[in-house]
Order: sequence, then structure tokens, then C-alpha cells
Amino acid sequence: NAGVTQTPKFQVLKTGQSMTLQCAQDMNHNSMYWYRQDPGMGLRLIYYSASEGTTDKGEVPNGYNVSRLNKREFSLRLESAAPSQTSVYFCASSGGQLNQPQHFGDGTRLSIL
Amino acid sequence: QKEVEQDPGPLSVPEGAIVSLNCTYSNSAFQYFMWYRQYSRKGPELLMYTYSSGNKEDGRFTAQVDKSSKYISLFIRDSQPSDSATYLCAYGGSQGNLIFGKGTKLSVKP
Repeated sequence: NAGVTQTPKFQVLKTGQSMTLQCAQDMNHNSMYWYRQDPGMGLRLIYYSASEGTTDKGEVPNGYNVSRLNKREFSLRLESAAPSQTSVYFCASSGGQLNQPQHFGDGTRLSIL
Repeated sequence: QKEVEQDPGPLSVPEGAIVSLNCTYSNSAFQYFMWYRQYSRKGPELLMYTYSSGNKEDGRFTAQVDKSSKYISLFIRDSQPSDSATYLCAYGGSQGNLIFGKGTKLSVKP
């Protein structure tokens, strides 16, 4: 049972480089989410997709773009990475409405030098 | 006033102790209440989910919701070293996304 799969698990970038984080879920969920988690800040929502074909900004969208490729896949892109984007990124999915329990992947640890 | 307040800890207890973890919230519209457990270098995993006031029990874990006081708790009985993790509370309203607490780090010492 894979659940939510994120790739890569680790990445080091230089300032200004671009990168796409991949996420796929096999639970036939409608909604998908991208969060970042920083020490002392908790989980902060970057973008979400309530259903295939829709995306919306969350709490901290600046510097990021997303693509809901199909029902299974939701990618997060950093166009020009900055040191402030060093973080652990989590993808999650949920069935039904946005206020329902979410299921998380194991994260991508991203370091930007 | 923050929507969700959760003591970050860290909380350290001996093996076998009863652990109490708590969150308070300010938004009366919250209807769904969850607890997640997050091990180091892993994603949060859903531990408990409830939408009503009162207690819900699952093995050694009990989730308690008091909507009148806007307070939720997670109790862990007979705590084990394997319970060492960060515990996050989460809330859902009638609309919008889940709101997460920042987490309480728990350490259970053998």
C-alpha cells in the first residue's frame, strides 16, 4: 500500500536553480495539498487542489507554482530557488471535502545554498 | 488570537506513564477534530478522528473533545518508547482546509 509517494526524498540546490517536486497518490482521492514544515512554524499550506483541474493558493504560495497533472499527481515547482525555501515539503491527499482527514507522504528534504 | 494553540513541549515521561496532550482553539465553526503522530523524518500519520464532543478510544489512545471549552486532548495510556514522536492536533470547519497545531514533541524514556 503506497498511499502518497513523494520524489525525490532529498535534494540540494543552488540559489536560482529550478526544481519540481513530484507527488502521486493511489487512494483515488479528489483533493491534494502541498505543505512546508519548518522548525517552530508547523505545517504551512502552500497550494492545494480540491479536484482535478483546479488549484488554489494556500497560506504561503509566493515563489511556488503547482500543476495538477491528473487525479493521481500533483507537482510543486520552484522556479528560482531561494535559501528561504530550505524546508521539508509534504504532499497530502484527502477524499471528499477539504475538511476531511489528510494522508501524508514522507516528505522531500530540500536544502538551498 | 491564534486559531489553534498547542504547547510545543518537549514533554518527557517514563515508560508506562499516562500522557496528556492538549490543544485549544478559537473558531466555533470547527466540526472535525484529529490527532496526527509524526515520527522523526517521516510524514504525519492520522491517529484519531472525531466530530463530536466526548471521548473516543482506540487501544491505548483516547481522544477527548470539549466543544463548549474549545479544548481537545489526547491521552496515551501505558506509554511506550515507540510512542516517542511529535503529536499534532488538527481541526476542520464546514468550509476550507484543515488547521494544524504546531505539534508537541513527546519523549518516552525506558
